[in-house]
Amino acid sequence: DTGVSQDPRHKITKRGQNVTFRCDPISEHNRLYWYRQTLGQGPEFLTYFQNEAQLEKSRLLSDRFSAERPKGSFSTLEIQRTEQGDSAMYLCASSSTQGGTGELFFGEGSRLTVL
Amino acid sequence: QKEVEQDPGPLSVPEGAIVSLNCTYSNSAFQYFMWYRQYSRKGPELLMYTYSSGNKEDGRFTAQVDKSSKYISLFIRDSQPSDSATYLCAMNRGSTLGRLYFGRGTQLTVWP
Repeated sequence: DTGVSQDPRHKITKRGQNVTFRCDPISEHNRLYWYRQTLGQGPEFLTYFQNEAQLEKSRLLSDRFSAERPKGSFSTLEIQRTEQGDSAMYLCASSSTQGGTGELFFGEGSRLTVL
Repeated sequence: QKEVEQDPGPLSVPEGAIVSLNCTYSNSAFQYFMWYRQYSRKGPELLMYTYSSGNKEDGRFTAQVDKSSKYISLFIRDSQPSDSATYLCAMNRGSTLGRLYFGRGTQLTVWP
């Protein structure tokens, strides 16, 4: 399977704990995006990388959230001191700036439940 | 006001019906317009992609963009139960200009 891969698919945690999600993009894609989606809403942009550089961060990305893409390949999204309002689906997507149309290819998502 | 507005529905139609899904937007800089389909508990998948104003057809699906009205549409002909999903419109300012802006999605059910 050469699509976008996310892990874990589902994480249940207690309020105050830290969680980390991993995303492996399509191998030839240089851009990687994180979105958050709550029930009944469209995906909300969090941040994106071009290679290892983080080019844009949403104001939704509070100080408790940090994302990295250390070698321009996989990425991690860490949420510290989780709150119940962090419960959502965290979607990763990748795209290429080389030719094509720049469309985003999404993974299956990592669902977070904060108790 | 959100930059992309989309009626969440739900929309329920019989098999074989023509379905019309719509979005409006406020940012005149948007040039690339997409429709994603999302099945329950899955990631969105790209369905249609159009640049600027005009129509694009792909099988049973037709995407329309009217930049003068800041209005985009997706039509589904001969709808099937397998089309039951949430349809998300999305757009950006350029193919290499980063983030997509999404509507909230319209939930569609096609019953046999």
